[in-house]
Amino acid sequence: GAVVSQHPSRVICKSGTSVKIECRSLDFQATTMFWYRQFPKQSLMLMATSNEGSKATYEQGVEKDKFLINHASLTLSTLTVTSAHPEDSSFYICSARDPGSGTIYFGEGSWLTVV
Amino acid sequence: QKEVEQNSGPLSVPEGAIASLNCTYSDRGSQSFFWYRQYSGKSPELIMSIYSNGDKEDGRFTAQLNKASQYVSLLIRDSQPSDSATYLCAFWGGNEKLTFGTGTRLTIIP
Repeated sequence: GAVVSQHPSRVICKSGTSVKIECRSLDFQATTMFWYRQFPKQSLMLMATSNEGSKATYEQGVEKDKFLINHASLTLSTLTVTSAHPEDSSFYICSARDPGSGTIYFGEGSWLTVV
Repeated sequence: QKEVEQNSGPLSVPEGAIASLNCTYSDRGSQSFFWYRQYSGKSPELIMSIYSNGDKEDGRFTAQLNKASQYVSLLIRDSQPSDSATYLCAFWGGNEKLTFGTGTRLTIIP
């Protein structure tokens, strides 16, 4: 079964609204989770590193005020896309690192469509 | 030099044959290496992790790691049409992030 669970799998929202995506590690406590974005036929692009109990670390060029990340517990990180626009439509994927094995597992991904 | 070099393909292999995927990396401090499979429209799925030099086998999959040559490979035996996907090699580096190759698109021809 899934080791990292992501919800929702698909979401459609209106332009200007906000949408929240959840990422949960089911089998281990993850002090660090990662958020990626992937456009069709392109590579995964790391957006930010989510750190439990502290601020997220954003990659260069990623707007931290637009993509709010909260890692409130050792098993849950959330990504909120604020004031969404059609160009934010993409496939958003989270991952979590199992501190015991060092293995990185990915969630199922969330398709966001902004209309 | 890119951190991870991976042949983007496409790579076509007849059903039942061995598919060989290769990857080289530049970060000598890397300790953990992964192969992921990604179907179109889906998220990456872990196929194999390898941490030590040598071979690691899991079913039809064998990962090979050579840290001296900074080389990691994945062999898929008895290839099936369901193996058709993009394969991503990745390593966990000293920057505490997962660095990916660009992916190799593999097609298994029935």
